[in-house]
Amino acid sequence: DAEITQSPRHKITETGRQVTLACHQTWNHNNMFWYRQDLGHGLRLIHYSYGVHDTNKGEVSDGYSVSRSNTEDLPLTLESAASSQTSVYFCASSVGGTDNEQFFGPGTRLTVL
Amino acid sequence: KNQVEQSPQSLIILEGKNCTLQCNYTVSPFSNLRWYKQDTGRGPVSLTIMTFSENTKSNGRYTATLDADTKQSSLHITASQLSDSASYICVVRGDNYGQNFVFGPGTRLSVLP
Repeated sequence: DAEITQSPRHKITETGRQVTLACHQTWNHNNMFWYRQDLGHGLRLIHYSYGVHDTNKGEVSDGYSVSRSNTEDLPLTLESAASSQTSVYFCASSVGGTDNEQFFGPGTRLTVL
Repeated sequence: KNQVEQSPQSLIILEGKNCTLQCNYTVSPFSNLRWYKQDTGRGPVSLTIMTFSENTKSNGRYTATLDADTKQSSLHITASQLSDSASYICVVRGDNYGQNFVFGPGTRLSVLP
């Protein structure tokens, strides 16, 4: 069955380190997204991509970067991790169009000490 | 500012009872509104989607309503089950271009035996 996976599921790192979170989908969806979810807030969009070599900034992109070298993967990199980036990160993908249902991965819980 | 508010923040009900969750939004222009269910430790899963012209949409025991004039939506759960314990997130898409999704903070529902 097609799916979307994230790794690692849990990560603890130190302030200033570079961290990369992986996202892989097998639906062959063109659109992929990264969100963060914090207590008291709705999911907030970090970056998104409409296809290979396309990337766009979302609402809270500072301190994060993505690259899309193939359809299946959209890794999220924290260049220099900060305690404010402690959060749960969700990757999602969609076919596109007006309906635009997004299918979410299981999430990665990141703690920056 | 585009916002989505949900009430109540949390709700506890007994198994078999009905409940209604509320969503108010200020997002404009409006494209569609979607309700997601998010189990603890999992990514959100879509329940229903409604466009401007739709007033009601059902998915099994879940019924969503939309009043685009007052910018309000509700999610009614009938004959609740223990498996309904989850967070329910209202998401409003602002227009047909870009990724203008606004996520509400969610309502945490606990169904007790």
